[in-house]
Amino acid sequence: AQTVTQSQPEMSVQEAETVTLSCTYDTSESDYYLFWYKQPPSRQMILVIRQEAYKQQNATENRFSVNFQKAAKSFSLKISDSQLGDAAMYFCASLENQGGKLIFGQGTELSVKP
Amino acid sequence: DTGVSQDPRHKITKRGQNVTFRCDPISEHNRLYWYRQTLGQGPEFLTYFQNEAQLEKSRLLSDRFSAERPKGSFSTLEIQRTEQGDSAMYLCASSSRGSYNEQFFGPGTRLTVL
Repeated sequence: AQTVTQSQPEMSVQEAETVTLSCTYDTSESDYYLFWYKQPPSRQMILVIRQEAYKQQNATENRFSVNFQKAAKSFSLKISDSQLGDAAMYFCASLENQGGKLIFGQGTELSVKP
Repeated sequence: DTGVSQDPRHKITKRGQNVTFRCDPISEHNRLYWYRQTLGQGPEFLTYFQNEAQLEKSRLLSDRFSAERPKGSFSTLEIQRTEQGDSAMYLCASSSRGSYNEQFFGPGTRLTVL
């Protein structure tokens, strides 16, 4: 069975600084996808970044990038030049097959200090 | 395209009552998912549909829970004989045939069982 673990319940970063959120996962499949979702307070979940397991190159979306270590089953999110609007819960998630269920981690609450 | 919508946004009910939630996916998205999120936790998968067909149900979905998607468009999630442990945020998501890997989430329905 898939599992996703986020070991940092809370993180804090100074505005304009860089922060890294950690995630580990477990799967027996060779074909899978990994995601980071952002859930601002009282607002809906939005996709931040996606990584296909078969791609060796780490995904990047503007200030957001991942460090995907397939052998170690690690998938961390780096947020550069942090902004006040980045404050939210961040969830790591995995997807083992095309269009099936997402398996989420417990979340990391990120606060950004001005 | 107005995104995934859910109704109601909040529901307060007494233990033992039945409740029904509605989800309208993004138009032409043929897959629709239901998740449950309790406070401070990541969403947990409940069930998902492809068109009218319910393809997978979690063991979390007890016999008090039933979901339907009768015409392959909107979906309903009914909880019968609600219990206090049912208090949670119920999230709906949808994805399209062209990109099953990306699920778009609605704002959720927050259920409080007194």
